[in-house]
Amino acid sequence: DIVLTQSPGTLSLSPGERATLSCRASQSVSSSYLAWYQQTSGQAPRLLIYGASRRATGIPDRFSGSGSGTDFTLTINRLEPEDFAVYYCLLYGYSPTFGQGTKLEIK
Amino acid sequence: EVQLVQSGAEVKKPGESLKISCKVSGYYFSNYWIAWVRQMPGRGLEWMGINYPSNSETRYSPSFQGHVTFSVDKSISTAYLQWNSLKASDTATYYCARQYVSESYPDYWGQGTLVTVSS
Repeated sequence: DIVLTQSPGTLSLSPGERATLSCRASQSVSSSYLAWYQQTSGQAPRLLIYGASRRATGIPDRFSGSGSGTDFTLTINRLEPEDFAVYYCLLYGYSPTFGQGTKLEIK
Repeated sequence: EVQLVQSGAEVKKPGESLKISCKVSGYYFSNYWIAWVRQMPGRGLEWMGINYPSNSETRYSPSFQGHVTFSVDKSISTAYLQWNSLKASDTATYYCARQYVSESYPDYWGQGTLVTVSS
């Protein structure tokens, strides 16, 4: 089974800074099947990115996704207070699997 | 507006049965798969499997196969997640979510149902 490893586990930044979150697969995967979700405390996950780089409806353009093969990145420019949350990557397809999450906290 | 509204929190004892629901609106129920995702307290997201309301086709993650059952009632646009014998380790929040095809990503999510299993 493919394992997704997210890093760092926790990222401490200030509003206005840029966040770079990593999601690494244990073997090469199709970028068409990589999504990113945001989960704020006590809330359901929110779809941000699908197909590795396509923003979901209503997602601000400060969120961007990139990557291919085994390495994928979620970049959040100009952090807003509401961006501090936990972020998960998801490899979807026949046997979906989530990464363990990265917590983005206010420094 | 697409909405998935889940049933309320439950407190159960080990060995009891439970069925939680996910009622959808704002789209044609039979055209989209329903995914179920578990989140244990303080932990990450785990994929449980998917269910297709149109023909009741079901795919379970190996970790959940045999312990849970997915079902639907198309007449009321509702999906269900069921346990016959709960364990303390089933304590978690369970989410339903919509996805367009079986190998796609969930886009809209329910608010989650907290299930607590304790003696």
